[in-house]
Amino acid sequence: SAVISQKPSRDICQRGTSLTIQCQVDSQVTMMFWYRQQPGQSLTLIATANQGSEATYESGFVIDKFPISRPNLTFSTLTVSNMSPEDSSIYLCSVGGSGFNTEAFFGQGTRLTVV
Amino acid sequence: DAKTTQPTSMDCAEGRAANLPCNHSTISGNEYVYWYRQIHSQGPQYIIHGLKNNETNEMASLIITEDRKSSTLILPHATLRDTAVYYCIVSGSSNTGKLIFGQGTTLQVKP
Repeated sequence: SAVISQKPSRDICQRGTSLTIQCQVDSQVTMMFWYRQQPGQSLTLIATANQGSEATYESGFVIDKFPISRPNLTFSTLTVSNMSPEDSSIYLCSVGGSGFNTEAFFGQGTRLTVV
Repeated sequence: DAKTTQPTSMDCAEGRAANLPCNHSTISGNEYVYWYRQIHSQGPQYIIHGLKNNETNEMASLIITEDRKSSTLILPHATLRDTAVYYCIVSGSSNTGKLIFGQGTTLQVKP
């Protein structure tokens, strides 16, 4: 199993500013994933973060808006840039288990409110 | 990855079995069926997964039809703490944790 810590757990930010969310895992993992969950909605995958390479973004998400860092095998950050009220969501970090076809583990999420 | 269809919501009486259906008629031979749940204000939690055989663990049972076009998650004795959104996800054999979530089923367990 993997234990994931996300910081901050919640924040209220002014529009036009940026927020960096941290994700720390208690073990080394190859791939980390970032999701967004808008109010009342399901989770949407933002990007896959691989150590040593650029993140792979899903359709509708761009690096300029959601830059991601992955400096090592236990840590990643997601920045939400130039925020607007539409960015108010829960942002979740996730990792897969070792190998294929194993369970994924999720952090508790960062609840972001943009005012 | 194949698309899944789940009922939007279901109710279950506390102590009774909760049977949550999922249709995945376009599933391919190497795709697994995963179930996760999300209790309010928490990150999703893995429940169980399977390829074609029925699976059981300490949390639930997964019944997959012979043609693999549908499955049912069974919580044998639902408690109030099982109230959550349940997601059925189909993913390929090379999956390393990347998940595409549908809308899920909101299960309300009632006393």
